[in-house]
Amino acid sequence: RKEVEQDPGPFNVPEGATVAFNCTYSNSASQSFFWYRQDCRKEPKLLMSVYSSGNEDGRFTAQLNRASQYISLLIRDSKLSDSATYLCVPRSGYALNFGKGTSLLVTP
Amino acid sequence: GAVVSQHPSWVICKSGTSVKIECRSLDFQATTMFWYRQFPKQSLMLMATSNEGSKATYEQGVEKDKFLINHASLTLSTLTVTSAHPEDSSFYICSARDGRAGLNQPQHFGDGTRLSIL
Repeated sequence: RKEVEQDPGPFNVPEGATVAFNCTYSNSASQSFFWYRQDCRKEPKLLMSVYSSGNEDGRFTAQLNRASQYISLLIRDSKLSDSATYLCVPRSGYALNFGKGTSLLVTP
Repeated sequence: GAVVSQHPSWVICKSGTSVKIECRSLDFQATTMFWYRQFPKQSLMLMATSNEGSKATYEQGVEKDKFLINHASLTLSTLTVTSAHPEDSSFYICSARDGRAGLNQPQHFGDGTRLSIL
């Protein structure tokens, strides 16, 4: 079983739309969680940390359900610049566990 | 914010060449650095974890004699791909962990090195 599973997409949405990504992780010992975005042929960039109580950063809202080992990311009012691959990243020890991510394409 | 510099950003070499990639933390001391590799349309795969002043810990399936890692100072780690072959062509990315940061703090990534072996 893969450590991190995400729908690879691509998700094609119009500007202004709301889009949600889901992620499941297999390692119940994972201690913290992050969402990264990765643009084509670039390094991953931290989007936000994910806390148990859920957290919001501008147009982005992240939720964590430890019991179900499930993480979500909601993007409101999508911008063209949001087009990227979104990576759900649980951490166990010092190691970050990357999946293939979910591709998002926001169109005009 | 914390900055990690990775050099070179792009390398094209003949088969059999050894290639060294540097990863530097510019404004913090990185007690731990990580080396990842990413093939096209694949996820980032951790290759090894290096702690300053000690031997690197390699992930299963990664040849330590092929991918030499040196972390001789708190701000510099190097990855040398020895006798590189076309199948080693990939995107190599380092990340660094600030030694003063708590475990919940994210790692800081370099810009990555695109390695192409002809």
